[in-house]
Order: sequence, then structure tokens, then C-alpha cells
Amino acid sequence: AQSVTQLDSQVPVFEEAPVELRCNYSSSVSVYLFWYVQYPNQGLQLLLKYLSGSTLVESINGFEAEFNKSQTSFHLRKPSVHISDTAEYFCAVRGVRHGSGNTGKLIFGQGTTLQVKP
Amino acid sequence: NAGVTQTPKFRVLKTGQSMTLLCAQDMNHEYMYWYRQDPGMGLRLIHYSVGEGTTAKGEVPDGYNVSRLKKQNFLLGLESAAPSQTSVYFCASNGINYGYTFGSGTRLTVV
Repeated sequence: AQSVTQLDSQVPVFEEAPVELRCNYSSSVSVYLFWYVQYPNQGLQLLLKYLSGSTLVESINGFEAEFNKSQTSFHLRKPSVHISDTAEYFCAVRGVRHGSGNTGKLIFGQGTTLQVKP
Repeated sequence: NAGVTQTPKFRVLKTGQSMTLLCAQDMNHEYMYWYRQDPGMGLRLIHYSVGEGTTAKGEVPDGYNVSRLKKQNFLLGLESAAPSQTSVYFCASNGINYGYTFGSGTRLTVV
């Protein structure tokens, strides 16, 4: 079984400042890791994912996350945030597919609200 | 390509009423999921399906039933709605080893 902990429920930051949203996970098997973003009154959109290979993954809008296996973390970072980045961010984990028993269930953290102030 | 479509988008129920939420996907995905989202609790899995004709319980299944009679549709039913079921419900589908595609959500209020 897997679990996810997002260490901050709210992160206020000024526009153009850097930000880090923290995510730790636990799992007894290898994992895939994801960050989703939810803008107000909308559904969830995939921001970036780690499946294998390079531990640093990037999104098209300037976010990046680094998979750290030894620290079981997948923190999300952006060097300079914009007002439009204001949203709720969810970290999620699922076990790597091994045979027919894997149901692909995503386990979500509690979410972190990023509030970008002018 | 519509992706995942949820209907209805909003609904208000009285305690004890029943309703069905419909999720439809056009990506030929095998796996489908129903989640509920509540403030400060993230998304919690209600039920899921790994293929047509199959369903399984998730983390919070009590008070809900599901059916997957056709591969493209996954229905979530509330037989006797309770105020504790006031929430935003999200459906998602997953084809292979990647993140889900989510619907836009159904906001349900039980009074």
C-alpha cells in the first residue's frame, strides 16, 4: 500500500518569488509519482509525472519536481511564480505495474493551496 | 476527443433521495475510478473498475454503489443520500502506466 503526505496545507508567496511545495510518500514497492493542479472550480490537470529515468521532471509552465528515492520525496518547485499559478496542488503516487494484480489506483495527498500575492 | 465527461455538473438532493452520476470516457481506457473531494482531505477513492463488468471498493465505499456495464461508462449511485455525502465527485480513467484523465466534477449538495 502507498500513502502520500503533503507537508503544507497553504503556501502564501509573493509574485516572482520562488516556491517549493513538499511531498513525501511511503510505499513497499517501486512507484510512479505525479503532481496535479486544480484551478478554482475546475477538475484536476496533470502537471508532471515521474515514471522512470531522469529524476528531475519538468512541466511546460516552468514547474519542476525531483524524485528522491532515499528521502521518499517528490517536491515541486518553481523559480518565479505568477498570479496565474494560484491553485491547489496535489501530489499522488501509485505502485509500478507488476502483473495482473495492480489496479492502477492513485493515492492522493491532502493538497497544498498555493496563494500568489501581487 | 472529449476525454472524460461527467453528468450532471451540479445537483441538490434531499436527504433520503437517490441519484446516479454518470461518467463516460471515449479513450478506450480499461480502468475507471470515482473519487470524492472534501476540503483538507484531498481526493478519496470510492470505487473503481479494472474493466467492463468489474467493480471494486476503494477507501470510502459505504453509501455508494457502482456499475460498469459498458467499457466507456462508469455509474455511481447513491441509494439514500445523506448530508455527509455532500461533496465534489470526480471520475477518472486510466489506460496504461500514466496519470489519470479526470472529468470536470459533479458538485453534490444533500440538504
